[in-house]
Amino acid sequence: QQQVKQSPQSLIVQKGGISIINCAYENTAFDYFPWYQQFPGKGPALLIAIRPDVSEKKEGRFTISFNKSAKQFSLHIMDSQPGDSATYFCAAGGGGTSYGKLTFGQGTILTVHP
Amino acid sequence: DTAVSQTPKYLVTQMGNDKSIKCEQNLGHDTMYWYKQDSKKFLKIMFSYNNKELIINETVPNRFSPKSPDKAHLNLHINSLELGDSAVYFCASSRVRQGGGTEAFFGQGTRLTVV
Repeated sequence: QQQVKQSPQSLIVQKGGISIINCAYENTAFDYFPWYQQFPGKGPALLIAIRPDVSEKKEGRFTISFNKSAKQFSLHIMDSQPGDSATYFCAAGGGGTSYGKLTFGQGTILTVHP
Repeated sequence: DTAVSQTPKYLVTQMGNDKSIKCEQNLGHDTMYWYKQDSKKFLKIMFSYNNKELIINETVPNRFSPKSPDKAHLNLHINSLELGDSAVYFCASSRVRQGGGTEAFFGQGTRLTVV
């Protein structure tokens, strides 16, 4: 019930293309769905997050789409750039006595070719 | 100013040794965490402290003992280190409300290698 499943494991995109990463969750008590970006040797950093009362959130080139009934959410990176090459993690949090605990997906290694 | 800082960044040690990792946050948050990232980059929570009180312990071996002297600090002590403990350990902090999800800020990580 606590799992978050992420796909694909790796993704190669040409510069200017659209990168799409998908996640699915099981626990309907989750109320916070962030995406984290991690560069080699660094800690994960929050990229964008959404709560289940909205279906889409956009910040610059990054958009989260959220489907509550399907228990799925996705990250779209428009006009992908080589600097976007990193590992991306979806996560889910909230519910019960979670105290901010985040359950992470398995991660997606994104490579953007120039 | 670094929001969540942990030391050391790298730690190489022999099996059977005891080691500690320190973490400090200057964000004024009331909740701190330890996460473990394995060789496949999977991130999993180990512990959570709220106002210096242990609130989450995710079936971690009791060789791992977190200590929170105050709200801004959370240290991780590991006894009798094993090869399988090799991983990157991340400290994180957030300001939470009970049952609510919120943003967590992560430190730069400590890469522990047990030889």
